[in-house]
Amino acid sequence: DQQVKQNSPSLSVQEGRISILNCDYTNSMFDYFLWYKKYPAEGPTFLISISSIKDKNEDGRFTVFLNKSAKHLSLHIVPSQPGDSAVYFCAASASGTSYGKLTFGQGTILTVHP
Amino acid sequence: GAVVSQHPSWVICKSGTSVKIECRSLDFQATTMFWYRQFPKQSLMLMATSNEGSKATYEQGVEKDKFLINHASLTLSTLTVTSAHPEDSSFYICSASEDFDPLSYEQYFGPGTRLTVT
Repeated sequence: DQQVKQNSPSLSVQEGRISILNCDYTNSMFDYFLWYKKYPAEGPTFLISISSIKDKNEDGRFTVFLNKSAKHLSLHIVPSQPGDSAVYFCAASASGTSYGKLTFGQGTILTVHP
Repeated sequence: GAVVSQHPSWVICKSGTSVKIECRSLDFQATTMFWYRQFPKQSLMLMATSNEGSKATYEQGVEKDKFLINHASLTLSTLTVTSAHPEDSSFYICSASEDFDPLSYEQYFGPGTRLTVT
C-alpha cells in the first residue's frame, strides 16, 4: 500500500526553466510534508517542508504547494540549475503517529541540462 | 553541522553470516535514530525507530530477531542483520534526530550502506 506516490520516475529540464515535481498521498491523516534531495552515494538532505495549515511555503528558489482537497503537493524549482540534478523524495508524516515517522515516495530523478 | 555517518558504506557477506552496520551522529546528540531500507527504484521504507537506552520499535512486517537494533549511546546506533540471506541484499540508510519536540520532523540522514549477500 503506497501511501505516498511520485508517479514520474524522472524529469528532464533545461537550465533556467522551472522544474515541477509532483507527489500524491492517500492517507488523510498526513499533516506534515517534506521534500528531500539525494545525490548518488549520499543520504537524503532536507530541502523544504510544509504543514497542512498552509498551502504554500517558499525558500529561495524552492516553493512547495499543498492542495489538501486533492491530496497533492508539488515542488517548484525556479530557475533550475545543473546542480539541482538529483533524486527528489517527498515524504509525509501524521502528528498522531510515532514521533518523526516519515512515509516516503519512490523518488523522481531530476536532470537539469545546461 | 548535523552530520550522520554510516560504516561500512558497502559490505558483501556470505549467506548465513551476520553483518553489523553502524550509524553515528558526529556533531549532535541523537535522541532518536531511524533505520530505513531501500530497494532499487523504490522508496525508503522505515524499518524501525530507536531511542537511546530503550528497545527499538519495529514497523509491521520487519522481523526484530533478524534485524537487531541497538542504540546504546546518544551518538551511536547499530543494525545487525543476522543470518543474512540474498533477499536481505539492499541499501540500508539511517537517520537521526536531535529534537525532543515531537512536532519536529527534521531528520539527518547517513550516506547509506549497500549490503550484498552472496
